[in-house]
Amino acid sequence: GESVGLHLPTLSVQEGDNSIINCAYSNSASDYFIWYKQESGKGPQFIIDIRSNMDKRQGQRVTVLLNKTVKHLSLQIAATQPGDSAVYFCAENKGAGKSTFGDGTTLTVKP
Amino acid sequence: GAVVSQHPSRVICKSGTSVKIECRSLDFQATTMFWYRQFPKKSLMLMATSNEGSKATYEQGVEKDKFLINHASLTLSTLTVTSAHPEDSSFYICSAKTDSYEQYFGPGTRLTVT
Repeated sequence: GESVGLHLPTLSVQEGDNSIINCAYSNSASDYFIWYKQESGKGPQFIIDIRSNMDKRQGQRVTVLLNKTVKHLSLQIAATQPGDSAVYFCAENKGAGKSTFGDGTTLTVKP
Repeated sequence: GAVVSQHPSRVICKSGTSVKIECRSLDFQATTMFWYRQFPKKSLMLMATSNEGSKATYEQGVEKDKFLINHASLTLSTLTVTSAHPEDSSFYICSAKTDSYEQYFGPGTRLTVT
């Protein structure tokens, strides 16, 4: 069946270190993936997306890597800051724009 | 940037009453809006897809008579939780999209049924 999941439910990093959050998906037909950040009590906030015809996409301090061979997606955050503490979700965008969300990884940044 | 609002942000209602939640796209016209439900420390679960002027499409297991969705215009969709019960307490989030892939999420509505 289709599912989008994350490897680890929690991740703790030191301020200034790089963070890597992973996600595995099972639908090889998926063609669009998104990473969202959700702070407590708020809606998801778009971070970065990637289409299946790409392997890597970079934004400001963030990079998304897509490995279609093993159906794996990762989000790298450079120089992690306290403001990056949140829950991070990967999502697979299916037909008609519907997104299937993974379980989320809670990132905690220690000062 | 594209902004989606929800109203109210928090609501407390008594068991058996109905509650309406509004979702508005403030600076763009949304061809499609989605309603999600999120339990504490859990992921977002898609409840239904709403297209302007047509009936909503509900996900499997979501009762359409309990969660009434109306998408009256290209900037407004409403979710009405009818005859609410404590198990309906949750965080409800809407999102809106144009013809592109990108979705824009609202800030969510915290519903507590007592």
